[in-house]
Amino acid sequence: DAGVIQSPRHEVTEMGQEVTLRCKPISGHNSLFWYRQTMMRGLELLIYFNNNVPIDDSGMPEDRFSAKMPNASFSTLKIQPSEPRDSAVYFCASSGGRDSTDTQYFGPGTRLTVL
Amino acid sequence: AQSVAQPEDQVNVAEGNPLTVKCTYSVSGNPYLFWYVQYPNRGLQFLLKYITGDNLVKGSYGFEAEFNKSQTSFHLKKPSALVSDSALYFCAVSALRAGGSYIPTFGRGTSLIVHP
Repeated sequence: DAGVIQSPRHEVTEMGQEVTLRCKPISGHNSLFWYRQTMMRGLELLIYFNNNVPIDDSGMPEDRFSAKMPNASFSTLKIQPSEPRDSAVYFCASSGGRDSTDTQYFGPGTRLTVL
Repeated sequence: AQSVAQPEDQVNVAEGNPLTVKCTYSVSGNPYLFWYVQYPNRGLQFLLKYITGDNLVKGSYGFEAEFNKSQTSFHLKKPSALVSDSALYFCAVSALRAGGSYIPTFGRGTSLIVHP
C-alpha cells in the first residue's frame, strides 16, 4: 500500500485565493482526520470523518474552511478565501476500525504558504 | 475533556545514553495512549501504543513506554540513544467521547536531540 497520499505537497498562493487540499486515505480505513500544524499552535485537529460522514468539525477555524469526503477514497479541505494566517502544514491521517482507537497513519502533509 | 502534557519542549542526550521523553495525560475513562515520531518534512509515524494489558509497551526502533495509571503518565524511553533518533516526538491520548467516537488529542511535541 502506498500509504496516505496528499496533494499538492507544497502550495503557494496569494491572500484571497481559494485553496484545495486533497487526500487519499489507506484503502480499507474508515476514519479520516485533517490536522493543521504550526509552530505556535502545534498539531490541531480540524475535522474527523467516519465512514465518509463528518463526525466532529469543532476544530475548523471558521467558515472559510470546509471539508468533504464524497467517497471512501477521497477527501478535500478547502479554504476560501485564504489568509496569511492560514499558512501551515496540513496533514491528513486515516485509521481503520469502528471506533478509531486504532493507530493513525499520516500523509506527508501539504505545506501551505499564503502571501 | 482529555488533554496531554509534554512538559519539555526539548530533550538533549548524548549518543549511547538512555533517553526519556515525558508525557502525562488527563482523560475520563480508560485511556488509549500513543507515541508518534515526526522527522523533518514528514508526517507523523506511529511508534507504539498502550490499549490494555502489560504496562510496559515495546515499539519500533527499540523504543518502549511505561503506562503508569496512578501518575497518569506514559513516558517514552530508550536504553541507548542514536543520533538518528533525533526528531519531534508526540504523545497522544484517546478515549471514548459522547457520541461514541474516539478522537485523539496530541501533545505539543518534544524535540529530541541526540548529540554524537
